[in-house]
Amino acid sequence: QVQLVQSGTEVKEPGASVKVSCKTSGYTFTTYGISWVRQAPGQGLEWMGWISGYNGNGNQAQKFQGRVTMTIDTSTTTAYMELRSLRSDDTALYFCARDHGEYAYIDYWGQGTLVTVSS
Amino acid sequence: DIQMTQSPNSLSASVGDSVTITCRASQNIRNYLNWYQQRPGKAPDLLIYSASSLQSGVPSRFSGSGSGTDFTLTISGLQPEDFATYYCQQSYSPRPLTFGGGTKVQIK
Repeated sequence: QVQLVQSGTEVKEPGASVKVSCKTSGYTFTTYGISWVRQAPGQGLEWMGWISGYNGNGNQAQKFQGRVTMTIDTSTTTAYMELRSLRSDDTALYFCARDHGEYAYIDYWGQGTLVTVSS
Repeated sequence: DIQMTQSPNSLSASVGDSVTITCRASQNIRNYLNWYQQRPGKAPDLLIYSASSLQSGVPSRFSGSGSGTDFTLTISGLQPEDFATYYCQQSYSPRPLTFGGGTKVQIK
C-alpha cells in the first residue's frame, strides 16, 4: 500500500533551518512527484511547491522562493524539504503528498511534521 | 495566481442531511478542481478529482460537479464521520496549486 512517512517534530529558533524528510513506499517513486503543503495552527492549507520524482525538477510558490529547497533521493525513495531563515509564522504542520503532476491532483499524504519556531 | 473562494466558511447540519459546498475560481480552470476532507489533527483525504471523479474507496454519497469557474461538492445523507473541514483545490497549469479557505461542517 502507498505510504508516506515523515520525520518527527522539530523545534527551532528564529533564523535557523529545518529539513523534513518524507520516506515513500508502495509505488514507483519516479512515476510521481511530491508536493509539500503546510498548515499553520487553526488555518487552511498552503501549497509550498512540488518536485518531480523522475528528474528532480519542480517549482515553488513565489512566497517561498529563495528560502526553500526541495530534493529527492531516488535510491531511498525519499523526498526532503528544507526551509531556511525560519520565522515564528513558519510554525505549522508540514505535509508531503504524492503528486500526479501538472493538471492533476495530489492523493496520498504523509502524517505531517510539526515545526515550531520559537525563541 | 488563481484564487479559490469557498462558501460557506462553516455550516451546521444533522446526520442524514444533504449539504452543498461551493467553490469559485478567479479564472477558468476547466475541470481541474479537486476536493479534500480533513479531520482535526489528520492529513487531508482526496474525495473528488477532476471536478466530478470519485476517488477510489470514497463513499458514493460524495459527489462533485461544475466546470469553468464554479464548482460544488455535495454530501447526500451526512454520516457522523463526515463532520470535518472540506477544501477545494485547483490544479490548473502553470502552478502554483491553490486551495480554498475551507468549509467546516459541524453537527447541529
